[in-house]
Amino acid sequence: KAGVTQTPRYLIKTRGQQVTLSCSPISGHRSVSWYQQTPGQGLQFLFEYFSETQRNKGNFPGRFSGRQFSNSRSEMNVSTLELGDSALYLCASSLDGRRSYEQYFGPGTRLTVT
Amino acid sequence: GQSLEQPSEVTAVEGAIVQINCTYQTSGFYGLSWYQQHDGGAPTFLSYNALDGLEETGRFSSFLSRSDSYGYLLLQELQMKDSASYFCAVSHTGGGNKLTFGTGTQLKVEL
Repeated sequence: KAGVTQTPRYLIKTRGQQVTLSCSPISGHRSVSWYQQTPGQGLQFLFEYFSETQRNKGNFPGRFSGRQFSNSRSEMNVSTLELGDSALYLCASSLDGRRSYEQYFGPGTRLTVT
Repeated sequence: GQSLEQPSEVTAVEGAIVQINCTYQTSGFYGLSWYQQHDGGAPTFLSYNALDGLEETGRFSSFLSRSDSYGYLLLQELQMKDSASYFCAVSHTGGGNKLTFGTGTQLKVEL
């Protein structure tokens, strides 16, 4: 089975711009979660989507949004970028039910905001 | 609030045994997972505990005490390739697959 894929892998944006990141989960996984990883704050949960619905949300401002499509692929969008948004954005997919705790992470998108 | 505390760094020699601790304060605790992340890589799942006690998976074991809000990851027969960051993560009741991650422990394995 192919793993979780994320595109693009690297991105450089300017403050004030917006960005869209994409994630394709493992085939059969309907849950997709997004995390932000920075040296100072570690791994922080952004949101989770399941069957095209946001099921959980972390403590991030409304500039961070996401969506999930009927094929379980997910996108996240960050509007009005700030310098502090520079981070590694990780997408993870998982089965629902008994093994939902086992999440499979993609390689991430490294976003740099200048 | 929710917090998971881990030591920031642990150093051990090849072949030794090392224990990485995790103490947590969180509402709606369901279970504790452990993930490994090599520099430049993605986190990968290692182990999970929902009930008190020890879970063994090859060279890795994980322990949970719900009454003490405490868990640890035990790595045996350390190898150089085990040098990585290790994160504990809490999964929550109430549905969904949200994980709250600990601060991470950087493990350095030396010859």
